Amino acid sequence: NAGVTQTPKFQVLKTGQSMTLQCAQDMNHEYMSWYRQDPGMGLRLIHYSVGAGITDQGEVPNGYNVSRSTTEDFPLRLLSAAPSQTSVYFCASSYFAGGAIAKNIQYFGAGTRLSVL
Amino acid sequence: DQQVKQNSPSLSVQEGRISILNCDYTNSMFDYFLWYKKYPAEGPTFLISISSIKDKNEDGRFTVFLNKSAKHLSLHIVPSQPGDSAVYFCAASAQETSGSRLTFGEGTQLTVNP
Repeated sequence: NAGVTQTPKFQVLKTGQSMTLQCAQDMNHEYMSWYRQDPGMGLRLIHYSVGAGITDQGEVPNGYNVSRSTTEDFPLRLLSAAPSQTSVYFCASSYFAGGAIAKNIQYFGAGTRLSVL
Repeated sequence: DQQVKQNSPSLSVQEGRISILNCDYTNSMFDYFLWYKKYPAEGPTFLISISSIKDKNEDGRFTVFLNKSAKHLSLHIVPSQPGDSAVYFCAASAQETSGSRLTFGEGTQLTVNP
């Protein structure tokens, strides 16, 4: 059982370049999300999706785009990379929870370490 | 506005002793709280959780305590082991209003010395 798979593991970009970070899950989870982790700031939510065709912005969405055409995949696009986007990016998935207190355990991928020069 | 705060960036304890990691929150809508553990070069992994209808949840060496009136939760690890050395993140969700969306604290680096 692969869980949440992120590719690539490492990437170096030049300022202004674009790229897509891939995320795939095989647990049939409705909810998927992208976070970035920066020193001293924990994990901050970039974008999330509650199902195929539905996406919404998180806490730090500027400079990133997402789409969700299938349940399994949730790619994150950097349109024009900037040094401020140097970070470690994590994708996570879970069953969707809402309206009642229920288990909402998000499962994370291993991360993509991105450097923008 | 940091809605979930872990005020201690680091904690060092001796093997066999208790580790206590603390977390404070400001949003009274939060009703579900989780602790994640993260090793270097890996993604966070779920450790233990608690819903707002409880004040304690225990799983082996790990116990989470919730004090709703103080908007405070803590993770106790007894006894601490060197393999517990990792970054611990506290997270919270308001499932009635925001569903699965999690808000994370800054993390606490725990070091357990042999």
